[in-house]
Amino acid sequence: DAGVIQSPRHEVTEMGQEVTLRCKPISGHNSLFWYRQTMMRGLELLIYFNNNVPIDDSGMPEDRFSAKMPNASFSTLKIQPSEPRDSAVYFCASSWGSTGTDTQYFGPGTRLTVL
Amino acid sequence: GIQVEQSPPDLILQEGANSTLRCNFSDSVNNLQWFHQNPWGQLINLFYIPSGTKQNGRLSATTVATERYSLLYISSSQTTDSGVYFCAVDLYGKLTFGQGTILTVHP
Repeated sequence: DAGVIQSPRHEVTEMGQEVTLRCKPISGHNSLFWYRQTMMRGLELLIYFNNNVPIDDSGMPEDRFSAKMPNASFSTLKIQPSEPRDSAVYFCASSWGSTGTDTQYFGPGTRLTVL
Repeated sequence: GIQVEQSPPDLILQEGANSTLRCNFSDSVNNLQWFHQNPWGQLINLFYIPSGTKQNGRLSATTVATERYSLLYISSSQTTDSGVYFCAVDLYGKLTFGQGTILTVHP
């Protein structure tokens, strides 16, 4: 079975532009997580979904960030407008279970650079 | 929020050496996971270990939940073990990561 799939793998954009990151979780997993990794702040949870419903978005940095999960096999993380401080690696992860407390499997990440 | 501290921050080994990485956490958690981030950035789950001891090849992990710490043992290290090792504690589905231990294994 394929692992978590993320696209694009690299994104370079200019400040003010809209950025959309995409994630396909492992088939059958019902929890999905978005993380951000930076040198300064390490790995941070942004938001997580269970059965396509957002459960906790307290890690979303500000209103410029939004995430959706329209179905069990697809999620997006959108930044609008983007800023240089959004530059980071964004990871998507998925897991079994209804509480999200099971082993999490990470995608390869999207490296975002905002100029 | 919960605090997760890992030690040592950096570790340099010769191939074949053994090592122990430590993870301390500040509060009761539902479980704990260890990850390896390889030099290409991929995060691989090593152990899901809320308590007790597990082994997988040359790696093993022990979590003592009552004392709020976990240990990751790497035996007979290989250059492919290089990377960053993270522990992450899980509270109701929210993983909080430590800052990681950077491991470099020289041939």
